[in-house]
Amino acid sequence: GAGVSQSPSNKVTEKGKDVELRCDPISGHTALYWYRQSLGQGLEFLIYFQGNSAPDKSGLPSDRFSAERTGGSVSTLTIQRTQQEDSAVYLCASSPGMPGQGVYSPLHFGNGTRLTVT
Amino acid sequence: AQSVTQPDIHITVSEGASLELRCNYSYGATPYLFWYVQSPGQGLQLLLKYFSGDTLVQGIKGFEAEFKRSQSSFNLRKPSVHWSDAAEYFCAVSGNTGKLIFGQGTTLQVKP
Repeated sequence: GAGVSQSPSNKVTEKGKDVELRCDPISGHTALYWYRQSLGQGLEFLIYFQGNSAPDKSGLPSDRFSAERTGGSVSTLTIQRTQQEDSAVYLCASSPGMPGQGVYSPLHFGNGTRLTVT
Repeated sequence: AQSVTQPDIHITVSEGASLELRCNYSYGATPYLFWYVQSPGQGLQLLLKYFSGDTLVQGIKGFEAEFKRSQSSFNLRKPSVHWSDAAEYFCAVSGNTGKLIFGQGTTLQVKP
């Protein structure tokens, strides 16, 4: 079946512009995650959505970053007034259920959006 | 708050030699632990996971990991490394909320 889809795959933007990154999770997956991967920085947690619960936004690096998930499915990560240090690959992942539940399975990752801020 | 430390940023081993990648976690309750691998230009692939039960878990590609609660560790091992194992390896921890935190990663280089 279809996997996690992210768009665009590449985005080049000028410093100061706003960008929106989209994630289509696997249908029926209740959990959705955003991570940022920069060279030498590993996978930095940004935000986590689980069902109808309030999202865990503890990883968002500044108030320029925000994310929403509409209808429990598609998610959009928005970066306002982009800076050069925002350049990275932004990865989205989804999974069904939660650990300890029978339906749970480890994360399915999208191919990421490579963001370049010039 | 949960966290993961991978002390080794870069490791080089000879092909055929054994491998151990270290992972230490911090979490207040029983953790769910994972190892993922990312080959150059590829996405993340799950190698193995620990949820409960036997503390020695087997994964794909001949990898295994051992959960040691007393040491808060979940080290990854392989008896004999192949050149195709060269990649970046990530340890990750999750708790009962499902939030998943990754370590900084360890880059493995394999010498012929």
